[in-house]
Amino acid sequence: DAGVIQSPRHEVTEMGQEVTLRCKPISGHDYLFWYRQTMMQGLELLVYFNNKAVMDDSGMPKDRFSAKMPNASFSTLKIQPSEPRDSAVYFCASGRDRDTEAFFGQGTRLTVV
Amino acid sequence: GEDVEQSLFLSVREGDSSVINCTYTDSSSTYLYWYKQEPGAGLQLLTYIFSNMDMKQDQRLTVLLNKKDKHLSLRIADTQTGDSAIYFCADAGEGKLIFGQGTTLQVKP
Repeated sequence: DAGVIQSPRHEVTEMGQEVTLRCKPISGHDYLFWYRQTMMQGLELLVYFNNKAVMDDSGMPKDRFSAKMPNASFSTLKIQPSEPRDSAVYFCASGRDRDTEAFFGQGTRLTVV
Repeated sequence: GEDVEQSLFLSVREGDSSVINCTYTDSSSTYLYWYKQEPGAGLQLLTYIFSNMDMKQDQRLTVLLNKKDKHLSLRIADTQTGDSAIYFCADAGEGKLIFGQGTTLQVKP
């Protein structure tokens, strides 16, 4: 398996634009997590799915962020409109079940100018 | 809510032992984890400990768990320059992985 695949690796966008981050989890993993990493806040859990259903999105600013998992092999995190404070590295991770290892993608470095 | 805390920075000399500490609040976790992040990369699982264990040893790594104090530590013996990275402890309570802020380990030659 190629591991968790995220795209794009880097994204630079202007404030107010829509940004879509993509993730392909490892096949057979029922759990998918979206994290955001910044110097100030560290690694924050934004949202996670189990079998494509949102289990907890309490860490996600819902006025501008939305996360979807239309099928077992694809998830998106959308920011609309984007703001400079959204600049961060966004990681997607997947796991087989709730208590086992989470495998991380390489991350998407988002810069909003 | 659930919280995981770590010190932010540790500097050691090559060959010394490193000890990275972590405290957590959720006592229902089945496992506790240590992840390593190298520059420009995602996190990778380094080791983990089952919550009914006190200690786990894996080559140069020793994990100690004190459930009463909700304290987890990672000891790296004979620290090498290649061990320089950010180390995260993580708690898998309530079905989601919650990470500490990460401890940056700097290894001086």
